[in-house]
Amino acid sequence: AQSVSQHNHHVILSEAASLELGCNYSYGGTVNLFWYVQYPGQHLQLLLKYFSGDPLVKGIKGFEAEFIKSKFSFNLRKPSVQWSDTAEYFCAVSLSGTYKYIFGTGTRLKVLA
Amino acid sequence: NAGVTQTPKFQVLKTGQSMTLQCAQDMNHNSMYWYRQDPGMGLRLIYYSASEGTTDKGEVPNGYNVSRLNKREFSLRLESAAPSQTSVYFCATWDGYNEQFFGPGTRLTVL
Repeated sequence: AQSVSQHNHHVILSEAASLELGCNYSYGGTVNLFWYVQYPGQHLQLLLKYFSGDPLVKGIKGFEAEFIKSKFSFNLRKPSVQWSDTAEYFCAVSLSGTYKYIFGTGTRLKVLA
Repeated sequence: NAGVTQTPKFQVLKTGQSMTLQCAQDMNHNSMYWYRQDPGMGLRLIYYSASEGTTDKGEVPNGYNVSRLNKREFSLRLESAAPSQTSVYFCATWDGYNEQFFGPGTRLTVL
C-alpha cells in the first residue's frame, strides 16, 4: 500500500538554527509532492509543492524542498528558523491518475526564542 | 469567496448521541474529503467523494456515514457517537491536481 513517512515526530530547535525535515513515500508511479504547515489552532496551509521540473522548489516564508526521485524523498529545509515557525508540518503525496492524496503523520516543530 | 466552510466549529456530545458535520465549498472542485486529526497520528482519511454522486471509504470509516448532497456540500454523520470519536474533523476539497484546501475544522468532544 502507498504510504508517506515522516521520520521526525518532534523537533526542537533554537532560533537561527537550520531545519531539515524528512519525508519519504512509497509509490512507483508519478506523484505530486506537497508540504503543508499547521499553526496552533489553525487548519493546514500549503507551504510548497512539486509537480515537475527543477527538483529544488521554493515556498513561502523561506522554506524550500528537494525532490530526490531515486530516494523517493522530498525533504523540507529552512536555513534559519524563527520562533514563528513553531507549528506542525505535514508532507503529502498525490498519485497521478487517482483520487488518492496521502498525508504523513506530521512533525511537530518547536522553535525556542 | 469563502473557500471551504464547516459547521459547527465546536460540539460536545454524550455517548450514543448523533450529529452531522456540514461542509460546503465554493471552489467548484469535484473531490471532497473528510479527515480526522488526532495527536501523533496526523490526518486520517475517513471518507472521500471523488465527484458528485460517489463516495468511498478511507482509512478509518467505521462509525461514520457521509452524504455528497451536491457538488458543493459533503456531510459527515455520526450515528451513535463514542468517546473514541473525540477528535478534530477537517473537510477538504481538491481539483485533482493541485493542493487540497481545508476548512477551519470542527472540534468534537464525546463524553
